[in-house]
Amino acid sequence: SQKIEQNSEALNIQEGKTATLTCNYTNYSPAYLQWYRQDPGRGPVFLLLIRENEKEKRKERLKVTFDTTLKQSLFHITASQPADSATYLCALLTGGGNKLTFGTGTQLKVEL
Amino acid sequence: NAGVTQTPKFQVLKTGQSMTLQCAQDMNHEYMSWYRQDPGMGLRLIHYSVGAGITDQGEVPNGYNVSRSTTEDFPLRLLSAAPSQTSVYFCASRALAGSGVQGEQYFGPGTRLTVT
Repeated sequence: SQKIEQNSEALNIQEGKTATLTCNYTNYSPAYLQWYRQDPGRGPVFLLLIRENEKEKRKERLKVTFDTTLKQSLFHITASQPADSATYLCALLTGGGNKLTFGTGTQLKVEL
Repeated sequence: NAGVTQTPKFQVLKTGQSMTLQCAQDMNHEYMSWYRQDPGMGLRLIHYSVGAGITDQGEVPNGYNVSRSTTEDFPLRLLSAAPSQTSVYFCASRALAGSGVQGEQYFGPGTRLTVT
């Protein structure tokens, strides 16, 4: 069966450290992968997209890698801040490009 | 731009009642979709539309109907509410792939529905 797996346990890190979140998938061949941020009581907000032929993408303090052999994406936040505390969701474009399927998300807590 | 708007923000229904969740976008996006979000289940796709007059089922379509008469609006209808439909509902829109846009999806603020 098709699965998108993110660590369900919350990730707690200290301010200034690099947070690394993992997204693993099985039985998908996605054209691209996206990462979203969701704050409590709000809708997800798009952060980054990486295509299948790209290994790495950066945006300010964010970095995403995409390994289609391992079927894994890593999402990094460098120099993390308490304001980065949120739930982070990965999503794959499937269904011939018509369906964006989400993982369950990982909650990140950045402590002072 | 208001982006994606949803109404109502909160709703309580009794089992068997029907209602329509409204969704509108002002970005001229071809693609619109509805998700429900439940604890531990993540976002699950209910229905989607790639343009006016075209809709299709997602992962969990049972108990829900949609229509797309205009580019801007994509209402979700609950035909006969059940407690299992208690959830947070999100509407989203994006430009279609191939249009040159990066494919980011814009979400509304959500509707919190409780069915008793």
